[in-house]
This record gives sequence, structure tokens and C-alpha cells, in this order.
Amino acid sequence: EADIYQTPRYLVIGTGKKITLECSQTMGHDKMYWYQQDPGMELHLIHYSYGVNSTEKGDLSSESTVSRIRTEHFPLTLESARPSHTSQYLCASRTSETQYFGPGTRLLVL
Amino acid sequence: LAKTTQPISMDSYEGQEVNITCSHNNIATNDYITWYQQFPSQGPRFIIQGYKTKVTNEVASLFIPADRKSSTLSLPRVSLSDTAVYYCLVGDLSLYNNNDMRFGAGTRLTVKP
Repeated sequence: EADIYQTPRYLVIGTGKKITLECSQTMGHDKMYWYQQDPGMELHLIHYSYGVNSTEKGDLSSESTVSRIRTEHFPLTLESARPSHTSQYLCASRTSETQYFGPGTRLLVL
Repeated sequence: LAKTTQPISMDSYEGQEVNITCSHNNIATNDYITWYQQFPSQGPRFIIQGYKTKVTNEVASLFIPADRKSSTLSLPRVSLSDTAVYYCLVGDLSLYNNNDMRFGAGTRLTVKP
């Protein structure tokens, strides 16, 4: 099993709050990803990184930002949460063959 | 990026073999075919990967015809726990870019008792 971790697993927060979703992997993978997925819907790529100091926006426009200061850490930040941000956020990293996903963070913004 | 097409949903019964076909007419020479499985409230999990002919592991088999324009994921004797969404991805694993990490809608498999 891959070692990729996400915290928190569940988060309920009020509108306007700043939040950071944590993602860490201990496999030394350079490539990391953030996806957003609503229940029963597709995964949408929102951010990715090729390595330290590299961040790129994905296909789905997102008001979140990411940083990659260390190889193992790829946090996602929402400066001001809104109800439209309610979703599941999945972090992943990959080798040349396959992608490993974390357990996800389920976010509810009231 | 090779676009993939899969059935939106499939139903099966316990003990049956399930075959899910993915079409990828524009597959490139260096592209590999990878299948993932996703249970509700979890991230996708790698199932199997192949380039041509047939690949088999302890979970599934992957059949790829000579023209590689489609592939079939075969799950032998499914159980209720195989109820999940199955994604087919096509991409060049050696490229240092992100184009092969887009997931489509997938196929929602429901296994009934």
C-alpha cells in the first residue's frame, strides 16, 4: 500500500474561514495532484506539481491555492471558504507507472 | 491525450464474470492503458495496467487487441464488494507532464446478490 496521508478526513466550517487541507507522502514522489470530486461525479483535476517549487493549475477552475516547499508535502489552501467549496478533495502522487491516492478530505462549508 | 469512452453503468450478479470495455481510438504508440477502481468516499486504487495483448494479476485481467483502440477489463466471479466505479486511463507513462492523469466519468458497476 502507498503511504499518502490527508488531514483532516472530515471538516465542517463556516463561510469566510481560511482552511488548509494537508497532504503528505513518504514515497519520495515528485509528481503530486489535487482533485475535487462531488458525490457520484467525476474527479476534476484542480492542481498539480512536478516537484519542489512547481505548482500548476488543473482543468477545473478553483479558488484554492497550493504550495510545494518540500517533496513530501503538498497542502491546499482556501483563503475564504464558501458553500460552493463543499466537496471531497483527493490528493495523489505518482510513479512512472501508477498514481496513489490519499483517503480524501470531505469538506462541508456552511 | 487519448480520449476514452466507457459505459456509464453496468449491473451484474454475484459469481458472474464482468467485462468492461473502454474505447480509445486515438491511442498513441507510447500510451499505456491503466484501470482504477474507486469505492464511495475513497480515492481511486490501481487495478491493472497493460500495453498490448493480455495482462493478468490476482484481481483482474486486461485484454488489449492488436490495434489497441479498445481494452477490456475482466473481473472474474464478482462479489458484492466489487461494486465500485471503474476508470480507464490512457497515457504515455514516460512523459514528464500531467496529461495522462485525467479521469473520465468511469463505469459504475453494481453487483447484486
